[in-house]
Amino acid sequence: TQLLEQSPQFLSIQEGENLTVYCNSSSVFSSLQWYRQEPGEGPVLLVTVVTGGEVKKLKRLTFQFGDARKDSSLHITAAQPGDTGLYLCAGAQKVMAAGNKLTFGGGTRVLVKP
Amino acid sequence: NAGVTQTPKFQVLKTGQSMTLQCAQDMNHNSMYWYRQDPGMGLRLIYYSASEGTTDKGEVPNGYNVSRLNKREFSLRLESAAPSQTSVYFCASRGPDGYQPQHFGDGTRLSIL
Repeated sequence: TQLLEQSPQFLSIQEGENLTVYCNSSSVFSSLQWYRQEPGEGPVLLVTVVTGGEVKKLKRLTFQFGDARKDSSLHITAAQPGDTGLYLCAGAQKVMAAGNKLTFGGGTRVLVKP
Repeated sequence: NAGVTQTPKFQVLKTGQSMTLQCAQDMNHNSMYWYRQDPGMGLRLIYYSASEGTTDKGEVPNGYNVSRLNKREFSLRLESAAPSQTSVYFCASRGPDGYQPQHFGDGTRLSIL
């Protein structure tokens, strides 16, 4: 079983502060996805990173895929209360395999206080 | 836009009862998945179906069965519910291309007493 470890498990910050969430594994992934989940809803995709060393930006969110494709990070600049939620990383080992299973990390619960 | 629809949203069972969780998607996706989500453990794959007519075990299949009824529907059955199966269950589907995301339903919150 391939494991994805997320840290920290919980993060509470004030509005305007920055935060970083980490996702680490001993396995290599062909791609890694970040999802955000609101209470009472299913996860929704934020971004997919594919190439080792890749950096993607989505407004105030910056995602990085490690050079060896074993780890990733999510950095939020000037966090806002609307960023509150559960952030999940998920790795895929095969690109075109039927079913393309994902391995999910344990999640990081982020609370941004106004 | 319906996407992935799960029923019911909430259910309470007694130990030993059976139940089927329903999932349907309207995006013409081949692949469908069932996960359970427990506090601090993210999402764990129970079963998945790469295409109509095929199903495979995921990480935690014991105590569950699935049926891929047609391309749209993928059901999860608990034959004899146990308290350890208290969880939030999510169904997801995915398109065929390499880096497509999984699209999730809103979950079924299941409590087993």
